[in-house]
Amino acid sequence: GAGVSQTPSNKVTEKGKYVELRCDPISGHTALYWYRQSLGQGPEFLIYFQGTGAADDSGLPNDRFFAVRPEGSVSTLKIQRTERGDSAVYLCASSPWTSGTRGEQFFGPGTRLTVL
Amino acid sequence: GENVEQHPSTLSVQEGDSAVIKCTYSDSASNYFPWYKQELGKGPQLIIDIRSNVGEKKDQRIAVTLNKTAKHFSLHITETQPEDSAVYFCAASMRQTGANNLFFGTGTRLTVIP
Repeated sequence: GAGVSQTPSNKVTEKGKYVELRCDPISGHTALYWYRQSLGQGPEFLIYFQGTGAADDSGLPNDRFFAVRPEGSVSTLKIQRTERGDSAVYLCASSPWTSGTRGEQFFGPGTRLTVL
Repeated sequence: GENVEQHPSTLSVQEGDSAVIKCTYSDSASNYFPWYKQELGKGPQLIIDIRSNVGEKKDQRIAVTLNKTAKHFSLHITETQPEDSAVYFCAASMRQTGANNLFFGTGTRLTVIP
């Protein structure tokens, strides 16, 4: 079946601009995660949604970052006033997490964000 | 928070040999340990995982071992093939009635030489 999809695959923007990154999770997965992966590093947690609500946003680096999931499916990560240090691959993962399951996470291909 | 360390950062093996990647974690409350394979330009792909109530798990050529006392876990790949070449990440999380945020190691670039 279809996996996690992310759009766009690449985004180049100028410093100070606003960007939106989209994630379509696997159908039926209630849990959705955003991670950020810098070059040569492992993914770092940003935010977690269970349904429509952000259950844990402790990984967001500052208030320029915001994410929504209004209908409990598609999620959008929003970055305001982008900085060069925001350049990274932004990964989305979804999980069929329910009590009793392993809670395994399935990742999308990522969006490579470059801030010039 | 949780801190996961991974070694080695690079590993080269001859085709057919075994490869071992090791990770340590800091939070004794962590209870779920997945391993991901990431190929160039792609997202991480789950290849095997283990929960803290199990000491070892095997799936064909891949096995994972967990030592809760020492807080370390390892990935073993036997009979390596060129298509096993990729970056491998270990991760740890404390699965509870809430988030299952993964804390990742820094990755191991595995090269299998034909």
